[in-house]
Amino acid sequence: EAGVAQSPRYKIIEKRQSVAFWCNPISGHATLYWYQQILGQGPKLLIQFQNNGVVDDSQLPKDRFSAERLKGVDSTLKIQPAKLEDSAVYLCASSLGGGLGRKNEQFFGPGTRLTVL
Amino acid sequence: QQQVKQSPQSLIVQKGGISIINCAYENTAFDYFPWYQQFPGKGPALLIAIRPDVSEKKEGRFTISFNKSAKQFSLHIMDSQPGDSATYFCAAWEGTGRRALTFGSGTRLQVQP
Repeated sequence: EAGVAQSPRYKIIEKRQSVAFWCNPISGHATLYWYQQILGQGPKLLIQFQNNGVVDDSQLPKDRFSAERLKGVDSTLKIQPAKLEDSAVYLCASSLGGGLGRKNEQFFGPGTRLTVL
Repeated sequence: QQQVKQSPQSLIVQKGGISIINCAYENTAFDYFPWYQQFPGKGPALLIAIRPDVSEKKEGRFTISFNKSAKQFSLHIMDSQPGDSATYFCAAWEGTGRRALTFGSGTRLQVQP
């Protein structure tokens, strides 16, 4: 079974530029998550989708970050304009459902490492 | 607000030794406590998890001990191996309200041969 795919793996941009990340979840997984992992910290949930609807975006900086999940499959996360403090690894994860337990285990992709100069 | 506090930040253990990582939480709405293992360049992967109605769960060399009254839980890795060298994150799931995972800050484990 293929895992969660993310691209690009690395991105370097200047501050105030825009950037987009792409995620393809495991086939059949209804729930998709975007996390931000700053160096030396644990992942922080930015947004959670159930199919193509937003379940939780309470920690998404909506003035600069946006995300969409068209047709309930692939998802993109965009930052515009980027700030220095946005330098982090952006992780995408997917699960069958949005609850807890092994059956709703979150599977993580390898992440996109963003460096903002 | 750091809702899940994890310690130590880093840990060096000899091969065959026991690795112990501790976490504490404040939010009583948390009702599921997973541990994740992350290797460099990879995303976190679920290792083992526990619900608060049990005090201990063991899977192979990995054991979670849970103290509900103290709001603390820990991961024990028995017979630690060099292949266990990774960063470990505790997490807590809020089953009501937000229904999301909150992660600890991570522990970098190095097992020396």
